[in-house]
Amino acid sequence: DAGVIQSPRHEVTEMGQEVTLRCKPISGHDYLFWYRQTMMRGLELLIYFNNNVPIDDSGMPEDRFSAKMPNASFSTLKIQPSEPRDSAVYFCASSWLGGNTIYFGEGSWLTVV
Amino acid sequence: ILNVEQSPQSLHVQEGDSTNFTCSFPSSNFYALHWYRWETAKSPEALFVMTLNGDEKKKGRISATLNTKEGYSYLYIKGSQPEDSATYLCASLRAGNMLTFGGGTRLMVKP
Repeated sequence: DAGVIQSPRHEVTEMGQEVTLRCKPISGHDYLFWYRQTMMRGLELLIYFNNNVPIDDSGMPEDRFSAKMPNASFSTLKIQPSEPRDSAVYFCASSWLGGNTIYFGEGSWLTVV
Repeated sequence: ILNVEQSPQSLHVQEGDSTNFTCSFPSSNFYALHWYRWETAKSPEALFVMTLNGDEKKKGRISATLNTKEGYSYLYIKGSQPEDSATYLCASLRAGNMLTFGGGTRLMVKP
């Protein structure tokens, strides 16, 4: 199994630009999570999906952030327009109902200058 | 606001030293406690998942204990090695399969 696959691994962009992060969960997993890791706030849950449906997006910081899951094997997290304070590592993770381990991707390292 | 707390935030030890750190979490509505090991530029790696009060799990030189009544877990590393250097994250599992993470303990083992 290839694990959770994220892209891009690293992105440096200018303030105001649109950023799209992509995730491919592990095949067969029905939960998908987007987390953000910062020094100040640690690892925080932004949004999660169950069977491609967004269940809880209360962690999404503001309207500039949006996430979609058009099918079971793909999800995007979009930031438009990006700001320097969005600089962080964004992790995607997946799991399945009945399992109690969440599997993480390697993260997308975003720097907004 | 993090309601899962880890201490210390960072820790420097010498190779061969044994060490431990703490995770505290809300004891109400507890389902499971996870420990992850995260090396920079890699995926966080699941170490342990514990559910029962008094649980103790071991993986090589690393072990963990769980007290669900008082809401804490300890992670122990015996005879630390440089390759143990990483951030150790604990997380409390809630309904809906959501994990609430602590801020992590960053361990650095000097050769």
